[in-house]
Amino acid sequence: GENVEQHPSTLSVQEGDSAVIKCTYSDSASNYFPWYKQELGKGPQLIIDIRSNVGEKKDQRIAVTLNKTAKHFSLHITETQPEDSAVYFCAVRDDKIIFGKGTRLHILP
Amino acid sequence: NAGVTQTPKFRVLKTGQSMTLLCAQDMNHEYMYWYRQDPGMGLRLIHYSVGEGTTAKGEVPDGYNVSRLKKQNFLLGLESAAPSQTSVYFCASSYSRLTINQPQHFGDGTRLSIL
Repeated sequence: GENVEQHPSTLSVQEGDSAVIKCTYSDSASNYFPWYKQELGKGPQLIIDIRSNVGEKKDQRIAVTLNKTAKHFSLHITETQPEDSAVYFCAVRDDKIIFGKGTRLHILP
Repeated sequence: NAGVTQTPKFRVLKTGQSMTLLCAQDMNHEYMYWYRQDPGMGLRLIHYSVGEGTTAKGEVPDGYNVSRLKKQNFLLGLESAAPSQTSVYFCASSYSRLTINQPQHFGDGTRLSIL
């Protein structure tokens, strides 16, 4: 079955700097790659997603890149702000959706 | 906009007790899911449903049962609760099989403790 590895588990960046979170997956048939943000006491919320026929997608300060050959994809957050502090999950779908174990992002003032 | 509503939000059970978690969605979504979230483990799929009257097993189905008698409701049951089932449970729904512009919508979770 599919296996998703997410790194790092914790990340601290200075406000205004960029943050990058990386995920790798095992099943080359996987074709949909969403990213979720989870704030304390809330359920995960989709922030950006990408299909396997696209290499990069951007939405304001958030971007996702996908390398299908290497089977890895990354979340990039630029000009980080305090409200970006949260836990971020990558996920992969082939038959069912499989989540990474999450990255706790701290934005330092 | 209610979205996905989970009840209860918190519950404490004793080992061996039974209970049912309720998930309701008002978006006319076909697919519904139950996950558990444990520290350092991310979200793991317990059971899911692709339509009214259907259910299927996920990654970690043992010790749980589900029912989807109405399209808008998805129930998760614990017949005999065990301490290993202490977790935060999330329900989610989606219009169809997950793809671009058809994301999952999550509820805010049920925190369950088994003593």
